[in-house]
Amino acid sequence: QQPVQSPQAVILREGEDAVINCSSSKALYSVHWYRQKHGEAPVFLMILLKGGEQKGHDKISASFNEKKQQSSLYLTASQLSYSGTYFCGTQPYNAGNNRKLIWGLGTSLAVNP
Amino acid sequence: DVKVTQSSRYLVKRTGEKVFLECVQDMDHENMFWYRQDPGLGLRLIYFSYDVKMKEKGDIPEGYSVSREKKERFSLILESASTNQTSMYLCASRDPGGGTEAFFGQGTRLTVV
Repeated sequence: QQPVQSPQAVILREGEDAVINCSSSKALYSVHWYRQKHGEAPVFLMILLKGGEQKGHDKISASFNEKKQQSSLYLTASQLSYSGTYFCGTQPYNAGNNRKLIWGLGTSLAVNP
Repeated sequence: DVKVTQSSRYLVKRTGEKVFLECVQDMDHENMFWYRQDPGLGLRLIYFSYDVKMKEKGDIPEGYSVSREKKERFSLILESASTNQTSMYLCASRDPGGGTEAFFGQGTRLTVV
């Protein structure tokens, strides 16, 4: 049930765009996105709950497809501060169990000057 | 400012020692989690607790136990530390429901020698 994140790693130059995908074999109740900088705790970015939903703040946005099996995180005009590992956490549909998130393995993003 | 606080940032312990990792949250969250994070393996759930004195095994519970005597505190116990338990340990808390974010502690880097 672990979601598949792609790509595993990406290297950008400042100002370039990137897309990170998170795919599940089954429909999901929600998808969560977090960023973790080296040596720090993961930090919440956003949650998507509805099929077809798009959300964003600043130059980081995300979408959740209509079937609720895939989410994409979009980083536009990347900045040095975007560097880190991005994780998606998924909440499957499972009546009576709304406690655990199931995490992808992460996507390492490096933004160079 | 909401907080999840882990008692130690760095720990060095000897093989065979009993090790306690403490986590405290101030958000009155029902659910608390212990993860282990190793390069390339993402966030692996060790145990979680959904109420005082209630716990469930995660994906990798072997060699670990937990204790939750008060709602705000969740302890991870390594009964007899081994070198293969050298890792980064992350505590998290969140309310139940698919639309609630998880808050992470700063992590404890444990080295077993």
